[in-house]
Amino acid sequence: DTGVSQDPRHKITKRGQNVTFRCDPISEHNRLYWYRQTLGQGPEFLTYFQNEAQLEKSRLLSDRFSAERPKGSFSTLEIQRTEQGDSAMYLCASSLEYSNQPQHFGDGTRLSIL
Amino acid sequence: GENVEQHPSTLSVQEGDSAVIKCTYSDSASNYFPWYKQELGKRPQLIIDIRSNVGEKKDQRIAVTLNKTAKHFSLHITETQPEDSAVYFCAAESSSASKIIFGSGTRLSIRP
Repeated sequence: DTGVSQDPRHKITKRGQNVTFRCDPISEHNRLYWYRQTLGQGPEFLTYFQNEAQLEKSRLLSDRFSAERPKGSFSTLEIQRTEQGDSAMYLCASSLEYSNQPQHFGDGTRLSIL
Repeated sequence: GENVEQHPSTLSVQEGDSAVIKCTYSDSASNYFPWYKQELGKRPQLIIDIRSNVGEKKDQRIAVTLNKTAKHFSLHITETQPEDSAVYFCAAESSSASKIIFGSGTRLSIRP
């Protein structure tokens, strides 16, 4: 399977703990995006990378959130000191470098904060 | 800020009938409009997209229309089938922003 893959699929943790998610994009895609989706809502943009450069961050991305893509391939999203409101599906997507290219999503990581 | 509004939030149609979902966007710089289908517990899947240089695009039973002047775009599904049941999201992207703004989704149910 050469689609976008995310790991883990599910994460349950206690409030206050740190969590890290991983995304592996489609191999030829230079752009990688992170979204958050809560029940009954559309995905909300968090941040995106072109190669290893993080080019945009949403106001939704508090200082507890950090994302990296050190070698321009896979990316990690870390949430520090998790809160109840962080419970959501975290989706990763990738696309070719050019504007207006289709974004292909992974299956997401579902985060539940106890 | 940028916003995409979508309606209806739920839609129930008889199998074989047509379904229409409508969206409006606020950012006049938006020039790419994808539509995603999301089944329960699964990833959003791109089903069709349209760029601002065309007004309509068709792919078998699915069609999208775009009115840039009014900042409206719509998804039309004809001859609906049970497997069309899902949540559908419209979205808009501007070339200057490179991020997609999604609508809040339409839950489509096909009645047998």
